[in-house]
Amino acid sequence: AQSVTQLGSHVSVSEGALVLLRCNYSSSVPPYLFWYVQYPNQGLQLLLKYTSAATLVKGINGFEAEFKKSETSFHLTKPSAHMSDAAEYFCAVSDQGFSGGYNKLIFGAGTRLAVHP
Amino acid sequence: DTAVSQTPKYLVTQMGNDKSIKCEQNLGHDTMYWYKQDSKKFLKIMFSYNNKELIINETVPNRFSPKSPDKAHLNLHINSLELGDSAVYFCASSQGGGFMNTEAFFGQGTRLTVV
Repeated sequence: AQSVTQLGSHVSVSEGALVLLRCNYSSSVPPYLFWYVQYPNQGLQLLLKYTSAATLVKGINGFEAEFKKSETSFHLTKPSAHMSDAAEYFCAVSDQGFSGGYNKLIFGAGTRLAVHP
Repeated sequence: DTAVSQTPKYLVTQMGNDKSIKCEQNLGHDTMYWYKQDSKKFLKIMFSYNNKELIINETVPNRFSPKSPDKAHLNLHINSLELGDSAVYFCASSQGGGFMNTEAFFGQGTRLTVV
């Protein structure tokens, strides 16, 4: 069964500092992986996704993530944090990956990113 | 234009009541979902419909009954509400059941509080 573990429920960085949010996955099939962001009192917005093309995936707002099969990781990074990046970030895996069919997203517990001046 | 819209945004009700949450998407997608986000922000799928047909039904109490009158709408009816039902419920939609060439778009959520 697929699962996602996000290390660190809270991450705090200074404005301008590197953002690193960790995600490890478990999947019995080659996975599709996603990062979503949730701003306060809002729905989830897709940041980026990995679907077997390039292992380094670039998303919106300057975020990127690298798929590392050997480490079963899909960590999210941004070189320089901005105050507007403060939000909840969710890593997710699609339960059937490449095998197709009707999939559901399995989410990690989320990481709250705080950005301070 | 809101792609996935849910109503109401907030819902406060007493235990034992029956309530409904409505969801509509204007993206032309054929697959819709309900997710529940608990107080610890954990998100878990409840149901998924494809072209009005139920395709995913997780272990959810049968007090929860989804209804899809057409592929643009997926409503959630909850009977005999309990305190533990308090959560944020998110509706989402995607084109097709797989995620290779599509993504799931989420609504703003409905914060349900049972008192």
